[in-house]
Amino acid sequence: AQSVTQLGSHVSVSEGALVLLRCNYSSSVPPYLFWYVQYPNQGLQLLLKYTSAATLVKGINGFEAEFKKSETSFHLTKPSAHMSDAAEYFCAVSDGDSGTYKYIFGTGTRLKVLA
Amino acid sequence: NAGVTQTPKFQVLKTGQSMTLQCAQDMNHEYMSWYRQDPGMGLRLIHYSVGAGITDQGEVPNGYNVSRSTTEDFPLRLLSAAPSQTSVYFCASKKRQGYGYTFGSGTRLTVV
Repeated sequence: AQSVTQLGSHVSVSEGALVLLRCNYSSSVPPYLFWYVQYPNQGLQLLLKYTSAATLVKGINGFEAEFKKSETSFHLTKPSAHMSDAAEYFCAVSDGDSGTYKYIFGTGTRLKVLA
Repeated sequence: NAGVTQTPKFQVLKTGQSMTLQCAQDMNHEYMSWYRQDPGMGLRLIHYSVGAGITDQGEVPNGYNVSRSTTEDFPLRLLSAAPSQTSVYFCASKKRQGYGYTFGSGTRLTVV
């Protein structure tokens, strides 16, 4: 069965510092992987996705993530944090070839950006 | 495009009452899903659909029913509301496998 683990329910960084949000997955078949962002009282918005093309994926708002099969990881990074990045971030996995169409979400990481 | 529209945005129910959460998308997406979001638990899949007339259960289906009579609509029915169903409910749709979901803005449900 597929699963997702996000390490750290809360992460704080200073404005201008590197953002690193961790996601590890488990999947018996090649996965599709996604990062979403949720601002307060809003729905989730897709940041980026990995679908077996390039292992380094660039998304919106300057975020990127690298798929590392050997580490079963898909960590989200941004070189320089901005105050507007404060939000909750969710990693999700979907089996690529199994025929199932379900996403499994992680429990989320709340990012706080300090001035 | 309106995207994914959920109604109502807020609802308070008494234990034992039933209601339907509405979800509609205008993007001609095949796949639609319902999730509930609870603090510290992320999003959990309730039911999903891969096309009109086809639905299946997710992780937490008990107490909920769905139907998909058209591509556009995917209502979620609470049969007999319980306090454990107090949550924020999100409907989402996507074009097909491998695409990201587009989420609605959510329905905040309180069962008293």
